[in-house]
Amino acid sequence: DAKTTQPPSMDCAEGRAANLPCNHSTISGNEYVYWYRQIHSQGPQYIIHGLKNNETNEMASLIITEDRKSSTLILPHATLRDTAVYYCIVRAPLGSARQLTFGSGTQLTVLP
Amino acid sequence: EAGVAQSPRYKIIEKRQSVAFWCNPISGHATLYWYQQILGQGPKLLIQFQNNGVVDDSQLPKDRFSAERLKGVDSTLKIQPAKLEDSAVYLCASSPIAGGRFEQYFGPGTRLTVT
Repeated sequence: DAKTTQPPSMDCAEGRAANLPCNHSTISGNEYVYWYRQIHSQGPQYIIHGLKNNETNEMASLIITEDRKSSTLILPHATLRDTAVYYCIVRAPLGSARQLTFGSGTQLTVLP
Repeated sequence: EAGVAQSPRYKIIEKRQSVAFWCNPISGHATLYWYQQILGQGPKLLIQFQNNGVVDDSQLPKDRFSAERLKGVDSTLKIQPAKLEDSAVYLCASSPIAGGRFEQYFGPGTRLTVT
C-alpha cells in the first residue's frame, strides 16, 4: 500500500471548518483513500473513503485532487468532540483481503 | 446493534508472566482483527481471521503471541511470556467481509502494562 504523510498536529476553532491534509504521492490507480479517527481511549472509527471523486457523508467530506496525490478531509463545523487523532490510509482495491496500515496520524485539537 | 466487546479493559502484569485477552465481534461479522497500539503510534495489525481461519499473521511474534478464533466467533489473544515492550493497547476489530467497503469496527481495547 502507498505511504501517506500527514502533519503531526493541527488546531481548529470550535464551529469552524477543520481541513486535514494528506499526501499520498505514490498512490496506485486502484487504491482507495480511507480516513479513520481515534478519540482518546477509544478504538479507531471509520469516517469516509474515496477513489477519485469527492465524497460526503454525515460526518465529513473528502476532497481528492485530480492527480490523486493528495486529499483533504473536511469537518465542516468542528466541535470539541471532534478532538482526536485522524488517520489517512491508502489501501488496496475493494475485494482485497489486505488490511489497513495505520501511520501516526494528525492530532486535531478543537479549541473552544 | 452491540459493538465489539473486549475484556479486560486494563491489565497489569510482571514481565515473564502470561496474559490473555478476549474479543467478541459484532454478530455476523466474518472477519476479525487484532491490533497492537503502542503509545504515540497508530495501530499495527497482529493477526487477521476470516471465520475461524487465519488470513494473515505475518506480524505476529509467534514465539510469544498466539491467537485463536474457535467456532468463528469469539477470539482470544495470548502473550506468554510477556516482555516490557509488550506494554500497549490491544485492539480487536471486526468487519462483515474481508473486502467490500472495508469498514472495520473497533472495540475499546485492552490496555496492558508490563512491569
